[in-house]
Amino acid sequence: ELKVEQNPLFLSMQEGKNYTIYCNYSTTSDRLYWYRQDPGKSLESLFVLLSNGAVKQEGRLMASLDTKARLSTLHITAAVHDLSATYFCAVVFNFGNEKLTFGTGTRLTIIP
Amino acid sequence: NAGVTQTPKFRILKIGQSMTLQCTQDMNHNYMYWYRQDPGMGLKLIYYSVGAGITDKGEVPNGYNVSRSTTEDFPLRLELAAPSQTSVYFCASSYPGLGSPYNEQFFGPGTRLTVL
Repeated sequence: ELKVEQNPLFLSMQEGKNYTIYCNYSTTSDRLYWYRQDPGKSLESLFVLLSNGAVKQEGRLMASLDTKARLSTLHITAAVHDLSATYFCAVVFNFGNEKLTFGTGTRLTIIP
Repeated sequence: NAGVTQTPKFRILKIGQSMTLQCTQDMNHNYMYWYRQDPGMGLKLIYYSVGAGITDKGEVPNGYNVSRSTTEDFPLRLELAAPSQTSVYFCASSYPGLGSPYNEQFFGPGTRLTVL
């Protein structure tokens, strides 16, 4: 079964702190996406990770991919209130049809 | 470019009614997708299309139909609406091809549907 699991599901953290969101997936894939969704809004692409060891950074967010462990992480450094949102990882398991399988999301709340 | 547009933004249906959710993209993307997002959950794929005239089922296709007569449009049809179809529906498009290893999916703003 093709599964993508995220943890934690909910995360409340103080401004200025660091934390990591984890994304595990069930079978081989070489492409993983991270999306952000603000309440009532659509999804915004953050990162695309293509290969083992890939690391991408944008501002206070850094994403990495370990294809052998089937694990991606989204690390938040010195959190600020603007980062409050729900974060989803999504995996392409079948490169022929490019279907995305989404995780259930991590709802992140940054407390001043 | 407008990107991916969806209409309507909101809709309330009675049980048993039918409707079509519209999706249009102006990026000349050949792949298009329909997802539903239930409250507090991730997105689940309903149907997808790899080009005009070609469609296939996703994870949760029951109760829905699609067609793809043009590259730009990918409407989703609900026949005999049921309360279980209350959800937010997102359309997306992408362009996998040579020189495009990322194949990023671009999402529309969504349609919030309530079936009472």
